[in-house]
Amino acid sequence: AQKVTQAQTEISVVEKEDVTLDCVYETRDTTYYLFWYKQPPSGELVFLIRRNSFDEQNEISGRYSWNFQKSTSSFNFTITASQVVDSAVYFCALSGDTRMNRDDKIIFGKGTRLHILP
Amino acid sequence: SQTIHQWPATLVQPVGSPLSLECTVEGTSNPNLYWYRQAAGRGLQLLFYSVGIGQISSEVPQNLSASRPQDRQFILSSKKLLLSDSGFYLCAWSVRGRFWQFFGPGTRLTVL
Repeated sequence: AQKVTQAQTEISVVEKEDVTLDCVYETRDTTYYLFWYKQPPSGELVFLIRRNSFDEQNEISGRYSWNFQKSTSSFNFTITASQVVDSAVYFCALSGDTRMNRDDKIIFGKGTRLHILP
Repeated sequence: SQTIHQWPATLVQPVGSPLSLECTVEGTSNPNLYWYRQAAGRGLQLLFYSVGIGQISSEVPQNLSASRPQDRQFILSSKKLLLSDSGFYLCAWSVRGRFWQFFGPGTRLTVL
């Protein structure tokens, strides 16, 4: 069975601090995809990144960076020099091999609520 | 480019009343479509998904139903709302085989 665990339910940091959101996943698929979504107070989920299981290269996009480690089944998300606008709920998610899964279902973690304090 | 619409944006309904939420996608054909519910302060729960017109799969037994009368239209319905149906309803779509989903703006439903 597939599972995504975001152990941190809520985090508060002061603006300009760095913060890392943890994500641990479980899957038996050899081919899978990992995602991060951001849900600001408006409610809409915003797609941030997709990573496939064969690409362990870390990715950086501006102040955002992602650390994918298959050895520990983790896909952590770091925000550098946080800003108040980063305050949101962040979801980590997993999708299995669609050759077996034509519905492309995604398994979401329960989310981490991030507060950036001015 | 593709866009996804949901309406209404907010809805307040009495217990026992019917419900109809609509989701439409533009700029793509034959998408997979999904309905999620998010209760206050909680994670996402997949309610229904559809891989084609008239094809609906239910994830959680409940008093809600879904229909897909057209390729890019997905409707969530209920004949009689319960208090527990309150929440934030999100529609999403994906290109088949492309894994990641794109979400609509959501509908905030309050059942009184």
